[in-house]
Amino acid sequence: KAGVTQTPRYLIKTRGQQVTLSCSPISGHRSVSWYQQTPGQGLQFLFEYFSETQRNKGNFPGRFSGRQFSNSRSEMNVSTLELGDSALYLCASSLEGKNYGYTFGSGTRLTVV
Amino acid sequence: GENVEQHPSTLSVQEGDSAVIKCTYSDSASNYFPWYKQELGKRPQLIIDIRSNVGEKKDQRIAVTLNKTAKHFSLHITETQPEDSAVYFCAASKNNFNKFYFGSGTKLNVKP
Repeated sequence: KAGVTQTPRYLIKTRGQQVTLSCSPISGHRSVSWYQQTPGQGLQFLFEYFSETQRNKGNFPGRFSGRQFSNSRSEMNVSTLELGDSALYLCASSLEGKNYGYTFGSGTRLTVV
Repeated sequence: GENVEQHPSTLSVQEGDSAVIKCTYSDSASNYFPWYKQELGKRPQLIIDIRSNVGEKKDQRIAVTLNKTAKHFSLHITETQPEDSAVYFCAASKNNFNKFYFGSGTKLNVKP
């Protein structure tokens, strides 16, 4: 069965622009979480969506937002990009409700110049 | 909130030796502890996990131990092979909707 699919794989944006990243979870998975991975900060939790509702949120500024659609696909948006937003953005899906291990997508590598 | 610390940050072993990576957590309510392996340029992949009602779990050459009293858990890899070379992350969560706290990662290098 298909894994977690993230698009695009790579992005280069300019400071001040905004960006939208997409994540399609494994079929049947209704929980989608987003993480930012950087060499200095490791894996940091952004937010989690379940049945189109944000259930958990990490400690990121309001420039980072997301949403989930009725088919469980999720998008993440970053507005007014800063150089420090350069990172690998990973999304992960899991079975509903409980904290089973995630299945991660391959990520979107965002570079802000 | 939860704080997960992971040691060492880098670990170099000879092929065939054992490797141990340790993590501590701060929130006694955490009850699920997965380990992920991330090869260079690839996504993290779940390799083993343990719940708080179990003290040890094994899967072939990989084992995880949990000490709830001391709030630490460890990953043990025996008979290491070059393909075990990767970055390993520990994580902790509790029954609140899939919010995981990750350790900072251990870069394991297995020398042939």
